[in-house]
Amino acid sequence: GQQLNQSPQSMFIQEGEDVSMNCTSSSIFNTWLWYKQDPGEGPVLLIALYKAGELTSNGRLTAQFGITRKDSFLNISASIPSDVGIYFCPSPAYKYIFGTGTRLKVLA
Amino acid sequence: NAGVTQTPKFRILKIGQSMTLQCTQDMNHNYMYWYRQDPGMGLKLIYYSVGAGITDKGEVPNGYNVSRSTTEDFPLRLELAAPSQTSVYFCASSVRDRGIEQYFGPGTRLTVT
Repeated sequence: GQQLNQSPQSMFIQEGEDVSMNCTSSSIFNTWLWYKQDPGEGPVLLIALYKAGELTSNGRLTAQFGITRKDSFLNISASIPSDVGIYFCPSPAYKYIFGTGTRLKVLA
Repeated sequence: NAGVTQTPKFRILKIGQSMTLQCTQDMNHNYMYWYRQDPGMGLKLIYYSVGAGITDKGEVPNGYNVSRSTTEDFPLRLELAAPSQTSVYFCASSVRDRGIEQYFGPGTRLTVT
């Protein structure tokens, strides 16, 4: 079956540091979506990528769709305490696979 | 627009009891989903629906039932609650199924003791 891996599983960083996380898939994706889940809330879409090689920014967030179409990364620049949460990159397959996400904790 | 709403926010059930988790969306989305999120884990798909009258199983459907009589509503039924069903349940909806944004409700936190 399709496998989806997110790395790292968790990270603690100091406020102001840059953050990088990635997703890899055993299958080719046609889209990559990055979601963030704040503590106690449902996930919310951050960035959507629709083309291999595409690089998209949303404020301090930058995401790229890998040219092999099997990976994507998300960078957060100058992290702040409200960046804390879980970041997901679900499989766009018919039965969504959300995976365990990357848990980010920001130390003030 | 309220988006996706879920009720109740919290519930404690005794083993063997039944309950229905309510989900309503006002965006006229055809696709709706139920996920569960166990502590420290990701989201697992329980059931989904591609339109009124059509439902299908996700990754972890055992112990649950769903129905979709209208576009707006997608209730999740727990029969004979078990401690393993202690989790946070999220309902979501989307315009279509693949590679498109899902809108999530605020979740229902369920404890079975």
